[in-house]
Amino acid sequence: DAKTTQPNSMESNEEEPVHLPCNHSTISGTDYIHWYRQLPSQGPEYVIHGLTSNVNNRMASLAIAEDRKSSTLILHRATLRDAAVYYCILRDGAVQGKLTFGTGTRLTIIP
Amino acid sequence: EPEVTQTPSHQVTQMGQEVILRCVPISNHLYFYWYRQILGQKVEFLVSFYNNEISEKSEIFDDQFSVERPDGSNFTLKIRSTKLEDSAMYFCASSEWVAVKETQYFGPGTRLLVL
Repeated sequence: DAKTTQPNSMESNEEEPVHLPCNHSTISGTDYIHWYRQLPSQGPEYVIHGLTSNVNNRMASLAIAEDRKSSTLILHRATLRDAAVYYCILRDGAVQGKLTFGTGTRLTIIP
Repeated sequence: EPEVTQTPSHQVTQMGQEVILRCVPISNHLYFYWYRQILGQKVEFLVSFYNNEISEKSEIFDDQFSVERPDGSNFTLKIRSTKLEDSAMYFCASSEWVAVKETQYFGPGTRLLVL
């Protein structure tokens, strides 16, 4: 799987938007960009995924650069419950199944 | 909302003992996974399972590990002779189909401590 680069940690104030960046300069044309998060003492949880177009769901938005070499996960209004490690993962269409987790970004929410 | 469940939540065992970790995937899912996370480290893939056979396994998943779907609901991970380095959180996951857009649903994990 192609490699992603994320900041080790970020902080944000409660009730403000959060932009979590991910660089994936070696992304291939068939790679989808997935985001998962892991709340403290819990298993990973799916957040969102996309290929080329920006995506929105009830949890977050995903903004994908036109060249697809970077993406940004946007939490529109962070709550304390959003404090977690966020993982940006590329899924190669030729490789089925497994997710390859990096170290992710640890997001701290300041009340 | 359907969820993946795992039992036990915690397990303490002596080195060399066998352990079985149990998972109940979401009922209509067909693809099953085990991952582990050593304290302070990354989540690591162990094995994927489909149609009653292993579809992929990592280097970690050696002969000491086995998986089984003994009935229509359970999915188990067995470690035959535990080592100290097997101490970790073990997560089960399931999904409806295998594709690039696939979403995996993870259980809460079993914390295994080998003494």
